[in-house]
Amino acid sequence: NAGVMQNPRHLVRRRGQEARLRCSPMKGHSHVYWYRQLPEEGLKFMVYLQKENIIDESGMPKERFSAEFPKEGPSILRIQQVVRGDSAAYFCASSPPRQGGLETQYFGPGTRLLVL
Amino acid sequence: AQKVTQAQTEISVVEKEDVTLDCVYETRDTTYYLFWYKQPPSGELVFLIRRNSFDEQNEISGRYSWNFQKSTSSFNFTITASQVVDSAVYFCALSESGTGANNLFFGTGTRLTVIP
Repeated sequence: NAGVMQNPRHLVRRRGQEARLRCSPMKGHSHVYWYRQLPEEGLKFMVYLQKENIIDESGMPKERFSAEFPKEGPSILRIQQVVRGDSAAYFCASSPPRQGGLETQYFGPGTRLLVL
Repeated sequence: AQKVTQAQTEISVVEKEDVTLDCVYETRDTTYYLFWYKQPPSGELVFLIRRNSFDEQNEISGRYSWNFQKSTSSFNFTITASQVVDSAVYFCALSESGTGANNLFFGTGTRLTVIP
């Protein structure tokens, strides 16, 4: 059973370009979460999605960042007009549907974004 | 507001020593969940354990053990007979059931170095 997959693992962009990060959840998981880890810091929640729905985007910056989880295909985190401060590791996690309680989130290997 | 504190930024131990990583949390919810994740040098996040607030039983898994004490809001993690492969950053995380969003609040992590 493959784990959470993220690609690319490393991404280099110049200021002003767009970054697209992809996440395929574990088989059977319908919930996806995105987190950002700045250097030497813990992970910070960005957004929680189910198929075709954004459930909670309280951690997303108001501008330039968007996320989707279409009916078919991976979840996409999109950063427009990247700036140097966007350089970070972006982790995706997935969990199965909640059945009366919280489900454990399993993380992908992350995408390291470097903005030059 | 929820908060997770890992006061130990870095710890170094000699192989075969025992080591305890501290985690203190704050929450107003009566139902919540606590987690430990390991981030080895390769960068991925590995799930170690999950504990809900109603279950204060300590848990042992091989060389790993966890001590959950609601009275002190702590969820400490002990590695006995440490090995070089235990070298990693360890994150404690909290999720509150009341959020409805299932997002995790992470501590800033403890970097453990096991010296051969």
